[in-house]
Amino acid sequence: GESVGLHLPTLSVQEGDNSIINCAYSNSASDYFIWYKQESGKGPQFIIDIRSNMDKRQGQRVTVLLNKTVKHLSLQIAATQPGDSAVYFCAENIPLGSNYKLTFGKGTLLTVNP
Amino acid sequence: DAGITQSPRHKVTETGTPVTLRCHQTENHRYMYWYRQDPGHGLRLIHYSYGVKDTDKGEVSDGYSVSRSKTEDFLLTLESATSSQTSVYFCATSGGGREQYFGPGTRLTVT
Repeated sequence: GESVGLHLPTLSVQEGDNSIINCAYSNSASDYFIWYKQESGKGPQFIIDIRSNMDKRQGQRVTVLLNKTVKHLSLQIAATQPGDSAVYFCAENIPLGSNYKLTFGKGTLLTVNP
Repeated sequence: DAGITQSPRHKVTETGTPVTLRCHQTENHRYMYWYRQDPGHGLRLIHYSYGVKDTDKGEVSDGYSVSRSKTEDFLLTLESATSSQTSVYFCATSGGGREQYFGPGTRLTVT
């Protein structure tokens, strides 16, 4: 709910503008990344993913860019709409032998002004 | 949302009481997870299950236990609730791919 948005970086954009949300990840061995969207009072919703052997992946109105050199991930949302207002966070998958660990970032609060 | 429901959705309980949260999924996913979400933190893994009766600890497992007696249900129990366990709890499932799908959450307040 609203408490998720406290203490988070915020991004405020006008409706129709493009949004870029950034994420720095920690582990150079991470092989897979996911972006989630979390609306107030709801659970995180899968948006798009990307494997570490890719630099870019596009979805519907969203693009994820991966820069492994600097361990940076970005989510671009085209023509941002009021319904895009939410907390967005990335997750990195860290292989642990035959298992794996998914580690989540704290997120960015996106506010879209009509 | 991969057909995931959580119950209850909201609960207020007193310190020292036992609490059980339930996660139910209809996707026949093998893997199930319990996370907590607190301001200033990312989602933190409490426990997870990789099959019926197969569970393991996550990074913040102290004070919590889990059980999975059938594929569709994963229970999280706080044996003796403390105020530090006030949080929003999310269940997630995965079919074996690394993407996880989340339930709507349970807001627990321990007074």
